[in-house]
Amino acid sequence: DVKVTQSSRYLVKRTGEKVFLECVQDMDHENMFWYRQDPGLGLRLIYFSYDVKMKEKGDIPEGYSVSREKKERFSLILESASTNQTSMYLCASSPRGFNQPQHFGDGTRLSIL
Amino acid sequence: GQSLEQPSEVTAVEGAIVQINCTYQTSGFYGLSWYQQHDGGAPTFLSYNALDGLEETGRFSSFLSRSDSYGYLLLQELQMKDSASYFCAVRAGNTGFQKLVFGTGTRLLVSP
Repeated sequence: DVKVTQSSRYLVKRTGEKVFLECVQDMDHENMFWYRQDPGLGLRLIYFSYDVKMKEKGDIPEGYSVSREKKERFSLILESASTNQTSMYLCASSPRGFNQPQHFGDGTRLSIL
Repeated sequence: GQSLEQPSEVTAVEGAIVQINCTYQTSGFYGLSWYQQHDGGAPTFLSYNALDGLEETGRFSSFLSRSDSYGYLLLQELQMKDSASYFCAVRAGNTGFQKLVFGTGTRLLVSP
């Protein structure tokens, strides 16, 4: 089974801090994704990566950056955390291919105080 | 851009059949997917329709009509464990990227 592991299940940080969310997948998938999930808004794509060192902006990239130095690891960075970034963050991966499903991690519930 | 509409909540009883509808507006449509998410859990893939028609996987079926920009997820013989949120998602962008755009989700409540 595909395993997508997010480093923290719950995280509490303060406004202005630099926050790192880590995601690791064990199936050699080319594509990796970061979403945030908020009540009534569904899943919104922040950034995605289709290869090592490659990244593309999703629908809501403002205030975030990403890093993919190794194929299995995709990091989401909040450069200066703000309270409106309090949310559930979900990482996903998928193999290259036209109709490949995405496999999600269990999520990180991030609170910015 | 892309947008999807699905009902916010649906209720049903055990053993019943329920249909969750999804209408979409998108440029460059490549397929409609469905994901299930239990409270506190990760979304999991249920089905994918690229062509018109019905796809059946056990108790779950998914339908697509590209001419109507419409699809639905059909759940039969409902069980309590089917209580979850269900998201439709369209595959968008050029063929090089696997970007999904998700709907806001339908919360299904199954009662005894």
